Amino acid sequence: DAKTTQPNSMESNEEEPVHLPCNHSTISGTDYIHWYRQLPSQGPEYVIHGLTSNVNNRMASLAIAEDRKSSTLILHRATLRDAAVYYCILRVTSGSRLTFGEGTQLTVNP
Amino acid sequence: NAGVTQTPKFRVLKTGQSMTLLCAQDMNHEYMYWYRQDPGMGLRLIHYSVGEGTTAKGEVPDGYNVSRLKKQNFLLGLESAAPSQTSVYFCASSYSSWDEQFFGPGTRLTVL
Repeated sequence: DAKTTQPNSMESNEEEPVHLPCNHSTISGTDYIHWYRQLPSQGPEYVIHGLTSNVNNRMASLAIAEDRKSSTLILHRATLRDAAVYYCILRVTSGSRLTFGEGTQLTVNP
Repeated sequence: NAGVTQTPKFRVLKTGQSMTLLCAQDMNHEYMYWYRQDPGMGLRLIHYSVGEGTTAKGEVPDGYNVSRLKKQNFLLGLESAAPSQTSVYFCASSYSSWDEQFFGPGTRLTVL
């Protein structure tokens, strides 16, 4: 599976935007970029995914570089509830497997 | 909709004991998964199932067995628990191989 690289930790202030980066220089043409997050003492939850175009949903936006070697998860207005570990995962089109790295621990300051 | 539920929430075992973890989903999903998460690490796939009566090995299958006798249930068994199996176990399900996975709340297992 292609590998992703994320910063170990990031901090943000409440109600400010947060940009969480992910590098995936060995991504293949059939890999989708998925983001999950894990709140403290909970199971992971799906956030967003995309292939080539930028994507928006009610939780976040996903900006994908033109060469697809990197992507950024954007939380438009961070809340305290967004404090979590965020995982950037590459997933092949037909693959069941989610390969989790260590993710980015996001701290949101009041 | 309860989503994905896991039983039990916590368990302490002695080395060599056996136990079964139960995962249930009420979303009519075909795919179900068992992951483990060790402290400070991401999740690793143990076994998964692509439908009733089927199972397949994941990344770290040794020491575990699974069964999917009913579509809504996925059981994870430890025949002879070892301290290395101390971990938090998460079950997940999805409608298809490319859909989002829904996770349960986890089972914290300690093997002494």
